Amino acid sequence: AQSVAQPEDQVNVAEGNPLTVKCTYSVSGNPYLFWYVQYPNRGLQFLLKYITGDNLVKGSYGFEAEFNKSQTSFHLKKPSALVSDSALYFCAAGNTGGFKTIFGAGTRLFVKA
Amino acid sequence: GAVVSQHPSRVICKSGTSVKIECRSLDFQATTMFWYRQFPKQSLMLMATSNEGSKATYEQGVEKDKFLINHASLTLSTLTVTSAHPEDSSFYICSAHTGVNEKLFFGSGTQLSVL
Repeated sequence: AQSVAQPEDQVNVAEGNPLTVKCTYSVSGNPYLFWYVQYPNRGLQFLLKYITGDNLVKGSYGFEAEFNKSQTSFHLKKPSALVSDSALYFCAAGNTGGFKTIFGAGTRLFVKA
Repeated sequence: GAVVSQHPSRVICKSGTSVKIECRSLDFQATTMFWYRQFPKQSLMLMATSNEGSKATYEQGVEKDKFLINHASLTLSTLTVTSAHPEDSSFYICSAHTGVNEKLFFGSGTQLSVL
């Protein structure tokens, strides 16, 4: 069965420190992968995606993610966290042969000043 | 976690017909639901925010007369694609949350194919 796992329900980091939000996936075929952010009472906002090409993908607001095929991971990273980065983050996956997107359960990021 | 049920999962229709997609929160009340659209290999695009008992808020560029949203109860929002055209073929997904600061839960999506 296809799935996306975000093993951490919550991530806490101090402002200025690097942050990582983890995501692993299980999809058939070649995956395409996304990260989205959710702010309170708002719909999802797109951060970045991986379809093909460089394993390191750069996105909005200084975020980046690294596609690791052998580990089936697509962790979200940022070199220096901001308090304003505090939000909910969702990883999503689909495969190039299909259409449906599957979401992880989400990870709440707290950045402390 | 909370469950959001979306129906149908797949629909094929003729051009010119209307299609209704339902999104239900099964074990919680959702005052706000969100509707998204996704093209192949593209990110989700927020179409509208559905508010129980009031008119939906549409994103810029989304035709409100084309994509009718009704949120008649705290557990049900519907999206009706009116006079469907082949270019409306897409993946539609809804989401809801249990509270303002709570996580979104997603429906399983609807694949619409307009012939």
